[in-house]
Amino acid sequence: QVQLVQSGAEVRKPGASVKVSCKASGYSFPSHGINWVRQAPGQGLEWLGWISISNGFTNYAQKIRDRVTMTTDTSTTTVYMELRTLEPDDTAIYFCARTTAPTVITPSDYWGQGTLVTVSS
Amino acid sequence: DIQMTQSPSSLSASVGDRVTITCRASQTVYKYLSWYQQKPGKAPNLLIYTTSTLQNGVPSRFSGSGSGTDFTLTITNLQPEDFATYYCQQTYTTPHFGGGTKVEVK
Repeated sequence: QVQLVQSGAEVRKPGASVKVSCKASGYSFPSHGINWVRQAPGQGLEWLGWISISNGFTNYAQKIRDRVTMTTDTSTTTVYMELRTLEPDDTAIYFCARTTAPTVITPSDYWGQGTLVTVSS
Repeated sequence: DIQMTQSPSSLSASVGDRVTITCRASQTVYKYLSWYQQKPGKAPNLLIYTTSTLQNGVPSRFSGSGSGTDFTLTITNLQPEDFATYYCQQTYTTPHFGGGTKVEVK
């Protein structure tokens, strides 16, 4: 069965960086991209970016474009999202989610369990 | 960026009711509109994509319609497990979610 398993909760100070991992299994890894979405406490969903596993292309939300990098390790079927220069407003649950297509941004049909990132001094 | 506006932000309904949620895009997204359901403490669940295509396993009481800038999610014969928050999302350009609609028990 399709599974996306994310790394555990993180606590960082403002200005630090965090790298969240998302290990995929149960499907052909290059046949789908990965979206990253976050949800601040009590708030709605915010799309952060997308990476194509098959060609490595990325597309990032304007709001965080200068601070985010999404990468993939095909040998371990793991996708990573690194967010730098963290601010308290980055406190949120971060989700990885599989897209329905490999090389364009599409909706997400399977989701990870979420990773809570807390930014606090 | 194309912004998405959902209405209402919340609504109260009873089991068996018909519920309609609206999503409006700031410019056309053609048919590239999806709907998700999210329950507290859980990841979102894809219900509908490309405006009206039901994701595998989603009950037929969920339906979607619309085109261009105006879209609707309809739940007929609301069931207890349908009380949740619903989000629309456009994927025509850089994706954006709507603000969400919480469906609560009347």
